Amino acid sequence: NAGVMQNPRHLVRRRGQEARLRCSPMKGHSHVYWYRQLPEEGLKFMVYLQKENIIDESGMPKERFSAEFPKEGPSILRIQQVVRGDSAAYFCASSPNSRTEAFFGQGTRLTVV
Amino acid sequence: TQLLEQSPQFLSIQEGENLTVYCNSSSVFSSLQWYRQEPGEGPVLLVTVVTGGEVKKLKRLTFQFGDARKDSSLHITAAQPGDTGLYLCAGATHQGAQKLVFGQGTRLTINP
Repeated sequence: NAGVMQNPRHLVRRRGQEARLRCSPMKGHSHVYWYRQLPEEGLKFMVYLQKENIIDESGMPKERFSAEFPKEGPSILRIQQVVRGDSAAYFCASSPNSRTEAFFGQGTRLTVV
Repeated sequence: TQLLEQSPQFLSIQEGENLTVYCNSSSVFSSLQWYRQEPGEGPVLLVTVVTGGEVKKLKRLTFQFGDARKDSSLHITAAQPGDTGLYLCAGATHQGAQKLVFGQGTRLTINP
């Protein structure tokens, strides 16, 4: 899973600031998934994207959160006006198609102070 | 809402003992995956089971998918300190899709 690159690994933001989390999928992978993990919990699905398209965003909070996967460049998970409850580890996973297991990145640990 | 219940949540045993972790749901999944996650890292896929009743072995680890594809188990034989970690089960919710529903995890500690 070292092939899925997430940055930054750690991100500290003050309440009200914006957080941008980046995910570069493995080479040849055009499907990206974002998950959130709270301390001592399992991962919760947020959003599923293919290049330039959001396929399923049923796990995304309706406000302040957005995701994109442009034709060129990494996928971005954007959190506006962060609150303390947004503190969590955010994981990205990628796969070459919808039928193959996805590989996870090392995650971005967001801390809101 | 599909849920996966993992048990136990915490397990601490001595080196050399056997253990089983369970993953149960009232929902049917098209496939079920087991992951291991180290502190500060992302989940690493151990195995995927697809067919009801399927059994897969990975050295000392045995994975089973229930006949009805609603539950799964992970059995470790002769546990070693290197097996210590967080084990997660995850069910795929659509045929062919990787939108996964995760259990809350089992934190396993193997004491030397």
